[in-house]
This record gives sequence, C-alpha cells and structure tokens, in this order.
Amino acid sequence: DPKIIQKPKYLVAVTGSEKILICEQYLGHNAMYWYRQSAKKPLEFMFSYSYQKLMDNQTASSRFQPQSSKKNHLDLQITALKPDDSATYFCASRGTGGDTEVFFGKGTRLTVV
Amino acid sequence: QQKVQQSPESLTVSEGAMASLNCTFSDRSSDNFRWYRQHSGKGLEVLVSIFSDGEKEEGSFTAHLNRASLHVFLHIREPQPSDSALYLCAAPSNMGYKLTFGTGTSLLVDP
Repeated sequence: DPKIIQKPKYLVAVTGSEKILICEQYLGHNAMYWYRQSAKKPLEFMFSYSYQKLMDNQTASSRFQPQSSKKNHLDLQITALKPDDSATYFCASRGTGGDTEVFFGKGTRLTVV
Repeated sequence: QQKVQQSPESLTVSEGAMASLNCTFSDRSSDNFRWYRQHSGKGLEVLVSIFSDGEKEEGSFTAHLNRASLHVFLHIREPQPSDSALYLCAAPSNMGYKLTFGTGTSLLVDP
C-alpha cells in the first residue's frame, strides 16, 4: 500500500507545453522534497518544503514551481517544457528529527517530445 | 559541498555469493547515510540507514560506515536473482535534509 502517491506514472508532453506532477504523502510527514533522475546522471535534489514553506531551491530555472495546497501535498508545475526536462521525477518525504528515514514515491516518468 | 562516488559501476555475482558495494563521500562530518535499491523502471526502496561508525544490519543487508576513511560499504549476504537492481548510496548535505546520491552500482545476480 503506497504511502507516497505520485500521479501520473508516465507522462508525454509536447515541447513548450505545461504539466503538473502530483504528489501526496500519507506518512504524516512535514517535510517533502522533489528529486530528478535523468539518464546517466545521479538523482538530483530539486526542492525542499517544510510545513508547506519552501526551504531550499536547487533548480536554476523558474520554469519549475512547486505548489503545496495541503500539508501532505507537494505538486510540481513545469512550464515551457523542453526535451532536456525528460526525466523521472521523484517526490520524497521525511519526518522531523535528524535521523529519520527519507521515503520516496515511485516517480513520474516525463518524456518531452 | 558533499560529493558521493560509488564503485564498482557494475557488478555480477553468482547466486548466494556475497556482494560488496563501495561508497565514498567527501564530508567527514556527515552523520547519516542511506542505501537504496531501485529495480529497473521502479521507485527507490530504502535498504539500510546508518548514523554512526560501525555496522548496521537489516535482513540480508549490512552497512559498514567508517567516517575516518570516508567510506560506507554495503554487503549483501546470499543475494538472489531478485536482488538484481541499481544500488544507490545517499549522503546528507551540510544542511542535513538534502541527500546527495552517487551514480549507483548496477548489480546482476546470476542464478
């Protein structure tokens, strides 16, 4: 029974379009994150949210905008999509305290054509 | 800034033989490390987390941390073909909440 739900699992988008990747977690965590996994590259941190507030943004482009409408939601809006944005995007969450686990969702595989 | 490297890039072992994976990191003050597994096209499954020097065992997975030498190892006892996957090492950033990942070791367990 997945505790971090990402939707959709697969997504194909046209260059220049806009998409929203959905993430909901049912672990009661206050910290949520987005990571990206591109071909031949390590998993890369993008954003960190705590109590629905942005804590860290390591994404150079403003085309990537996280949105937290509820405590257990952290969606990712991507505008003006480019083929280089093709990747698998993982949502993650963590409880409070220094030594708690970080759990990942199953990812959304985005292909931009 | 934390740097994480994993070796080998790929590893083939026979079913039942011990598999040993290596991860090196750059920040000696780091205090928590995680090993994840990712089957092809799937999400990340946490295997073992370790927060102090020494060993920690979770089922058939044992992590060994030596911060003085900047290494954290993963040993897999009696691996099965179903253990064939990409194994990822993650170390914390200086802020603690951000994980820096290595590029992974692709493990193939031959039946």
